[in-house]
Amino acid sequence: EVQLVESGGGLVQPGGSLRLSCAASGFTFSSYSMNWVRQAPGKGLEWVSYISSSSSTIYYADSVKGRFTISRDNAKNSLYLQMNSLRAEDTAVYYCARDKCSSTSCYGPWGQGTLVTVSS
Amino acid sequence: SYVLTQPPSVSVAPGQTARITCGGNNVGSKSVHWYQQKPGQAPVLVVYDDSDRPSGIPERFSGSNSGNTATLTISRVEAGDEADYYCQVWDSSSDHVVFGGGTKLTVL
Repeated sequence: EVQLVESGGGLVQPGGSLRLSCAASGFTFSSYSMNWVRQAPGKGLEWVSYISSSSSTIYYADSVKGRFTISRDNAKNSLYLQMNSLRAEDTAVYYCARDKCSSTSCYGPWGQGTLVTVSS
Repeated sequence: SYVLTQPPSVSVAPGQTARITCGGNNVGSKSVHWYQQKPGQAPVLVVYDDSDRPSGIPERFSGSNSGNTATLTISRVEAGDEADYYCQVWDSSSDHVVFGGGTKLTVL
């Protein structure tokens, strides 16, 4: 069974840092591009970042560029999101999602999400 | 930046057909994907590349895309279809993924 499990969320003060992890199982992780998508409380979905299977291509949403860093360790079947200079508007559930459609970038499956709360 | 526009809400009686639209400039030239999200759960892909269905998704879910509007159609709506639905595209001009604002489907 394909499974994605996020961890690392929690409460952090504005300006602080947090590192999210996503553990993958049930598929050949190194063959798939991966993504982070977030959802603020009561709001819609917002794409955050993309990383190709070999880490050779990386994209970020404008709202997080320069503050967040996506990475992966194919030997550990893990995806990461290093979040620095956190702001209140970064408060959201963060999902990792596997690329299903490659060239057209659709996602499936998704993890269950991890909540990040930025507040003093 | 590219924008996708969805109606905030759609209501339909059980057994009827629900149509959820996703508007965007020449969206017909892009591949549109649709996700279903129930309260407290992660999104689930229900239609990809305009009209394809992942395995396990009922045939009641279908999609189309032409001109400036993509449409998710749910036939013979059931109470269990009540959820938020999001459209999504890859915008190659910006190398960004774009989601629509979401549509809440209410089954009356």
